[in-house]
Amino acid sequence: AQKITQTQPGMFVQEKEAVTLDCTYDTSDPSYGLFWYKQPSSGEMIFLIYQGSYDQQNATEGRYSLNFQKARKSANLVISASQLGDSAMYFCAMSPATTGGFKTIFGAGTRLFVKA
Amino acid sequence: GAVVSQHPSRVICKSGTSVKIECRSLDFQATTMFWYRQFPKQSLMLMATSNEGSKATYEQGVEKDKFLINHASLTLSTLTVTSAHPEDSSFYICSARDLRDQPQHFGDGTRLSIL
Repeated sequence: AQKITQTQPGMFVQEKEAVTLDCTYDTSDPSYGLFWYKQPSSGEMIFLIYQGSYDQQNATEGRYSLNFQKARKSANLVISASQLGDSAMYFCAMSPATTGGFKTIFGAGTRLFVKA
Repeated sequence: GAVVSQHPSRVICKSGTSVKIECRSLDFQATTMFWYRQFPKQSLMLMATSNEGSKATYEQGVEKDKFLINHASLTLSTLTVTSAHPEDSSFYICSARDLRDQPQHFGDGTRLSIL
């Protein structure tokens, strides 16, 4: 079965500090893509970062980095130097290659609150 | 980056009305688009996969006759909520993938409220 698990319904972080949002996944497919999206209160889904299952290095995009531990099937998102504008819902997602890499499975999400 | 446009962003209408939502890929062609539904404080639930030139593939439990999907061109998919009732009120969001890169790109969503 394909599944994404985000165990933190809500997280608080002090402005300018780093925060890690957890994500574990389950798939029997040897090839898959992992994604993180941000959804602010306005509703749009903003793509943050992508990690391919065969990528040797952890993905980084500005203040976002993905801590990919393949053996543990985890893909945690690290946000460095948190800003007030980072307060939003964050979704971890996976696209197994068996779906042609198109169909995406989403986790339940983690709501991040950044405190001033 | 790839842009997906979704229209309208907000709809309020009476029970029994049919509502059409459009999803367009503006700078790329999308043979496949996806329609999601999202309830408050919940994750995205895939409703159906829209395939250009063929019938949509619906997820289990989604009524095909209630949620009509048409993907007539490589840049446009439409979702029609037929004879909408208050329980159909939700946030609907579409996505498409540009084959030149990995992630799905989302429209800004449509908030549907049925009175």
